[in-house]
Amino acid sequence: ETGVTQSPTHLIKTRGQQVTLRCSSQSGHNTVSWYQQALGQGPQFIFQYYREEENGRGNFPPRFSGLQFPNYSSELNVNALELDDSALYLCASSLGPFGTGKLTNEKLFFGSGTQLSVL
Amino acid sequence: GESVGLHLPTLSVQEGDNSIINCAYSNSASDYFIWYKQESGKGPQFIIDIRSNMDKRQGQRVTVLLNKTVKHLSLQIAATQPGDSAVYFCAGPSGNTPLVFGKGTRLSVIA
Repeated sequence: ETGVTQSPTHLIKTRGQQVTLRCSSQSGHNTVSWYQQALGQGPQFIFQYYREEENGRGNFPPRFSGLQFPNYSSELNVNALELDDSALYLCASSLGPFGTGKLTNEKLFFGSGTQLSVL
Repeated sequence: GESVGLHLPTLSVQEGDNSIINCAYSNSASDYFIWYKQESGKGPQFIIDIRSNMDKRQGQRVTVLLNKTVKHLSLQIAATQPGDSAVYFCAGPSGNTPLVFGKGTRLSVIA
């Protein structure tokens, strides 16, 4: 078990609504990444946060946004929910940001995820 | 950027046999790979990693082999147990993402 915790574990929303998902990073980790995992697929990178700023973003529209707080915890916000947003949302923490050449920063530790259903 | 992919979406093995899960990658400059295990209802769990300056790395009952010539890596699980039933992903960093994941191989262990 990692020390990454996510809440809530399950969520049901209707199309057009907004949702906020929360994540606490593992002790000693200052970087948080968010991934979306559709059923039967591998996780897809949404974005990463380091020092309270976005550090890299995948191919997701602007209605996916995030925050990181001074204690390194993070939120993922999704506006104007669509049916295709139904997925498992995974948070992962790491020792540092990716792309610095430090391979130890590339090792991600995942939480159990939030299962979002959009009706 | 990097892309990684697994050869087989499903794999069934008899309990006690060895399992081999394969993965191919596209970027010859990739220097680091990780294998994750994901059980139902849980997030991916780190199993083992390997850097590109190594050909082989062993853990507890698991071995990862890296063949840079053909851009292929494999995860070998010795004496497969029912608790090994899960989806296995290989993943590697890309220039613009922390880790890129393949689609996964579902390992089923037959008792």
